Amino acid sequence: EPEVTQTPSHQVTQMGQEVILRCVPISNHLYFYWYRQILGQKVEFLVSFYNNEISEKSEIFDDQFSVERPDGSNFTLKIRSTKLEDSAMYFCASSERGPGQGRRYEQYFGPGTRLTVT
Amino acid sequence: AQKITQTQPGMFVQEKEAVTLDCTYDTSDPSYGLFWYKQPSSGEMIFLIYQGSYDQQNATEGRYSLNFQKARKSANLVISASQLGDSAMYFCASDAGGTSYGKLTFGQGTILTVHP
Repeated sequence: EPEVTQTPSHQVTQMGQEVILRCVPISNHLYFYWYRQILGQKVEFLVSFYNNEISEKSEIFDDQFSVERPDGSNFTLKIRSTKLEDSAMYFCASSERGPGQGRRYEQYFGPGTRLTVT
Repeated sequence: AQKITQTQPGMFVQEKEAVTLDCTYDTSDPSYGLFWYKQPSSGEMIFLIYQGSYDQQNATEGRYSLNFQKARKSANLVISASQLGDSAMYFCASDAGGTSYGKLTFGQGTILTVHP
C-alpha cells in the first residue's frame, strides 16, 4: 500500500543551524502539507502546497520556514535558523484531492521527523 | 478560528467492548470534512476515517464508525470490539474554516487504554 515517507526519522541540530526535512508524498497525490506536534501537545498546521506554490500557511510558518518541491517526488521543509522552540515532531501529509472534490479527500501522514534543537 | 473539542483526556475500555470517543466542532461553513487519526506510542499518525458534511450516511471503516450529528456539531468515533492494539492517542480534526486547500485543525486528543 502506498505511503508517505519522511527522512530522517530523528534530527538533532544546534540552535541557529539550518535543517531540511524531507518527504516523499504518495505518488498520485497533488496536495501536500506540513504539520508539527510539540511533545505532549496537539498537531498544528504549518503550510499547504498545491500546484508548486504555497496555498495556505499558519502564523507559525514565518520567514525562517520555506517549502519546496525540487523534483517530481520530494517535498521539503527548510528551517533556516533553528530555535529551541522548533523542537517538535514534524509531519508531512498528502492527499489525492482537495476539499469539496468528493470522497477520497483523506490526508495521509508520514511517520514524522523528530527534530531536537539543542 | 476553527475549534475542535475533545472533552475526554483519557478513556478506558475492556477488550472486546465498544467505546465512543467524543468530538465537537465549531464552524459556520456549509461544507467541511471531519477526520479521525490514531497516534500510537511510536508517534506516527494513522488515518482512520473521514466524514463529509454532506454525506447522508455515517462513515464506517471496519471496526471504526463515525457518529455524525450535524445539528449538534458532533463527530464521535465509535470503536467496536476493542483490541489491545487500539491503545493509543486519538485525534479528531476538521478542515472547516480554512481555504480550499485542506488545512486541518486538530483537537487535543483522547488517550484510549484497552484493558485485557
